[in-house]
Amino acid sequence: TQLLEQSPQFLSIQEGENLTVYCNSSSVFSSLQWYRQEPGEGPVLLVTVVTGGEVKKLKRLTFQFGDARKDSSLHITAAQPGDTGLYLCAGARGQNFVFGPGTRLSVLP
Amino acid sequence: EAQVTQNPRYLITVTGKKLTVTCSQNMNHEYMSWYRQDPGLGLRQIYYSMNVEVTDKGDVPEGYKVSRKEKRNFPLILESPSPNQTSLYFCASSLWVTEENTDTQYFGPGTRLTVL
Repeated sequence: TQLLEQSPQFLSIQEGENLTVYCNSSSVFSSLQWYRQEPGEGPVLLVTVVTGGEVKKLKRLTFQFGDARKDSSLHITAAQPGDTGLYLCAGARGQNFVFGPGTRLSVLP
Repeated sequence: EAQVTQNPRYLITVTGKKLTVTCSQNMNHEYMSWYRQDPGLGLRQIYYSMNVEVTDKGDVPEGYKVSRKEKRNFPLILESPSPNQTSLYFCASSLWVTEENTDTQYFGPGTRLTVL
């Protein structure tokens, strides 16, 4: 049983479209991180959210942490082929990190 | 260049033959961690270390050992590997991790292990 669920599992969209990826859990986390992973490489951190209800923006990416600190979303505006990759959310329980299974995004030109 | 390095990058071995995967970071990070990544399961934490001589179990520690004798190194030891330990392994480090927040985790390039 996954402690962190991500949806959708796979997403294929056209360049210029908007999308939202969700990360859900029944557990409370002290912080939540989003990573992007390219084939053959390790995950790279995009953002860390700490406060319930927090919203962070990184260019065309908007991240939100749920009020109860159990869930999060990643919204991408006007997706580009360079956004293609595996998006992972990770919840922190103190020094222990739990990762979701990932959303594989493909943005077609 | 600030980085986390892992060796080897690829390893094929047989059941029961002890092996060590090394991990080293040059950023003076206190926190280091090992994960395994399997299809459909994401990354699962094996062990982590808050500092030298301080290690703790993650979610899937069975069959693995670690040591942290120096700040920069955090080797992963498989005393008697089995086929279910075939996986992609990542080492990561962070300057600090507290109960309330965490600094950026930097990941190594991964080690693909196959146990026959």
